[in-house]
Amino acid sequence: GESVGLHLPTLSVQEGDNSIINCAYSNSASDYFIWYKQESGKGPQFIIDIRSNMDKRQGQRVTVLLNKTVKHLSLQIAATQPGDSAVYFCAENNGDYKLSFGAGTTVTVRA
Amino acid sequence: EAGVTQFPSHSVIEKGQTVTLRCDPISGHDNLYWYRRVMGKEIKFLLHFVKESKQDESGMPNNRFLAERTGGTYSTLKVQPAELEDSGVYFCASSQDMADTQYFGPGTRLTVL
Repeated sequence: GESVGLHLPTLSVQEGDNSIINCAYSNSASDYFIWYKQESGKGPQFIIDIRSNMDKRQGQRVTVLLNKTVKHLSLQIAATQPGDSAVYFCAENNGDYKLSFGAGTTVTVRA
Repeated sequence: EAGVTQFPSHSVIEKGQTVTLRCDPISGHDNLYWYRRVMGKEIKFLLHFVKESKQDESGMPNNRFLAERTGGTYSTLKVQPAELEDSGVYFCASSQDMADTQYFGPGTRLTVL
């Protein structure tokens, strides 16, 4: 079946460096993608989203890139901080409003 | 503005017992979703309410799970009788319109012994 997946389950990054979290999806009909951040004991928190008619969107310290040709989504975090340590999920929506999530990437920021 | 809230935060029950989880969406959000994450796996969709109506319950695993949203405000998810494989974290989310961002609650961690 079609699914959303992440390339790596864990990522360790030095404080101050940039982080890149990758996600591959297989449903070509998906038109809306979201990145969520989940900290310990909390629910997924919305970070940024992008629609399929765009290939890049920027927020505060975060950038999402969408490559529809290879069905790849990435989240870039600039100047990673200790508070960025969390599990990051990509999710896709193919128009029926239920989100399909990847397994998550655990980001650990080293001081 | 208060976010999505869920109660309880944790529940430990024995196999065969009944548990009811509650979700209060963001005020004014007509759309309410239930998801769950079982250990080591991805978050999976369970069902979607629009106001008090079930729009999509294709993710409900079996008839031991019953979700309600009487009055179109808060929702409950009852598991009866609970089985070991029901253990996991149950998330609720809400959105104003179906195409809008879904905001998640903190989840209820259910442990079935």
